[in-house]
Amino acid sequence: DTGVSQDPRHKITKRGQNVTFRCDPISEHNRLYWYRQTLGQGPEFLTYFQNEAQLEKSRLLSDRFSAERPKGSFSTLEIQRTEQGDSAMYLCASSPRQPGEQYFGPGTRLTVT
Amino acid sequence: GQQLNQSPQSMFIQEGEDVSMNCTSSSIFNTWLWYKQDPGEGPVLLIALYKAGELTSNGRLTAQFGITRKDSFLNISASIPSDVGIYFCARTSGTYKYIFGTGTRLKVLA
Repeated sequence: DTGVSQDPRHKITKRGQNVTFRCDPISEHNRLYWYRQTLGQGPEFLTYFQNEAQLEKSRLLSDRFSAERPKGSFSTLEIQRTEQGDSAMYLCASSPRQPGEQYFGPGTRLTVT
Repeated sequence: GQQLNQSPQSMFIQEGEDVSMNCTSSSIFNTWLWYKQDPGEGPVLLIALYKAGELTSNGRLTAQFGITRKDSFLNISASIPSDVGIYFCARTSGTYKYIFGTGTRLKVLA
């Protein structure tokens, strides 16, 4: 399977802990996106990378959130000092061009207790 | 945050019926994407539209990019139980950001 992969699929953490999620995009896609989705809502844009450059960040991405894509391939999203309001599905998507089709991974479900 | 308006919000239909849903925006855009999402999974791309008036099919699915560039619709013909799920539209106006609709929840009664 050469689709977008995300790891882990589920994460349960205690409030105040740090968590890190990984996304591996489709190999020939140089554009990578992170989204957050809460129950009953559509995905909300968090940030965008073209190769290793982070070109846009949403206001939703507070200073506790940081994303990287160091070699223009996989990406990580870290949340520091997690809060209960961070509980959501974190989705990664990749695209071969802009504008163009975005292909999503299966998501990482975060639960903060 | 910004979201597109999708209607209906939810619908129950009988297996074999045709389904129609639409998405509207207050501003002009240049790309429409339609997705289906199953519980606990990421959205799966169904159809992409790039030009006003464009009509594209994918099996039993047909989607159109509205002439005004402010709306789009998705039709599903002869629905089957596996069509159940949440259907999202998404659009971009040329920036990197995709804005997603509020979703149409489809339930198919066998």
